[in-house]
Amino acid sequence: QKEVEQNSGPLSVPEGAIASLNCTYSDRGSQSFFWYRQYSGKSPELIMSIYSNGDKEDGRFTAQLNKASQYVSLLIRDSQPSDSATYLCAVNSDSWGKFQFGAGTQVVVTP
Amino acid sequence: GAGVSQSPSNKVTEKGKDVELRCDPISGHTALYWYRQSLGQGLEFLIYFQGNSAPDKSGLPSDRFSAERTGGSVSTLTIQRTQQEDSAVYLCASSLAGDGNQPQHFGDGTRLSIL
Repeated sequence: QKEVEQNSGPLSVPEGAIASLNCTYSDRGSQSFFWYRQYSGKSPELIMSIYSNGDKEDGRFTAQLNKASQYVSLLIRDSQPSDSATYLCAVNSDSWGKFQFGAGTQVVVTP
Repeated sequence: GAGVSQSPSNKVTEKGKDVELRCDPISGHTALYWYRQSLGQGLEFLIYFQGNSAPDKSGLPSDRFSAERTGGSVSTLTIQRTQQEDSAVYLCASSLAGDGNQPQHFGDGTRLSIL
């Protein structure tokens, strides 16, 4: 059973601080990794895609991938109250395009 | 360009009735996915279409659920003889290719309530 694990939270972060979210996956063959943000009552929206080991930065977001340790993380710098949402990690591990989604980490940014 | 479009946005129906949910993917996207999300829960995979290949139906929870995709574009998810446990948000997503390297883009979902 291929699994994607996330800490459910809530992760409470002061405004302006860095939020650090982690995701581990079980399938060593995984090739593609995605982070989605889901506001309450809304559908998931794509934040980042990462495919290679190392860091990938996009604005205030940085995704980090370590395939040897089988984890992918998301850093949110200068956290804002508008970042309060549930963050979903998604991993693809086969050529058919089916993703495994984690259950999500709830982030609460406090002013 | 237009995103993934789902209709209706809300559907309320009585237990035992059949419902049809529609998804219009992003133009040019060959892969289409259906998920279900119950209140406060994660995404539950239902079915996946890729081009003209046979769909992956491994996530359908019972034979009351079926889906089709006509002409490689619009998809319809049908739930027959609805039960109260079918109440959830049904999300459709599409991706440019079905090789797993392309991100999925989600529609706004259909909120289904079974009375």
